[in-house]
Amino acid sequence: SAVISQKPSRDICQRGTSLTIQCQVDSQVTMMFWYRQQPGQSLTLIATANQGSEATYESGFVIDKFPISRPNLTFSTLTVSNMSPEDSSIYLCSAAMGVSYEQYFGPGTRLTVT
Amino acid sequence: DQQVKQNSPSLSVQEGRISILNCDYTNSMFDYFLWYKKYPAEGPTFLISISSIKDKNEDGRFTVFLNKSAKHLSLHIVPSQPGDSAVYFCAASATDKLIFGTGTRLQVFP
Repeated sequence: SAVISQKPSRDICQRGTSLTIQCQVDSQVTMMFWYRQQPGQSLTLIATANQGSEATYESGFVIDKFPISRPNLTFSTLTVSNMSPEDSSIYLCSAAMGVSYEQYFGPGTRLTVT
Repeated sequence: DQQVKQNSPSLSVQEGRISILNCDYTNSMFDYFLWYKKYPAEGPTFLISISSIKDKNEDGRFTVFLNKSAKHLSLHIVPSQPGDSAVYFCAASATDKLIFGTGTRLQVFP
């Protein structure tokens, strides 16, 4: 398994600003992902963070709004840009090792936009 | 289009009894299924999984059953313990991506 940490754990931001969330894994992993969990809802995949190349975004999510970086095999960032109250959510990163389907999750970042 | 559904948002079970959490899916291409447990203010924790070539997988108190013809899986926890109180998500995959259900909140009372 992998131990995943996220920073910040929570933040309150004003609309129109941007927030960058960091995700650190304690070992090298093949895949890293970013999810959003809106209140009372399921986890929705935002994108797959690809090491050394552009992230792969799911339908409904775009790079201009959620730019992602993954400079190496243990670290990734997600930026929530030009925030609005609708972006208030929990943002989670996850990692998968090898060919396993199992993903290990960070503790999440609780974002509130006012 | 909700490909993975958990129709029971909550379940309450007495300590020591069996908890059964259900999950339905629509995509016949899914070939791997997982259950995650989530406590408040924490990320989901992997619990147990099953490949589509099996119909049962057991790990201690946790057993997952898969009925491919019905596109249904269930998680059995026996005996249930107060520490099992959490939100349980089922997830399915046909590639390296996971599709999650909406979760079932399990409460185990003494």
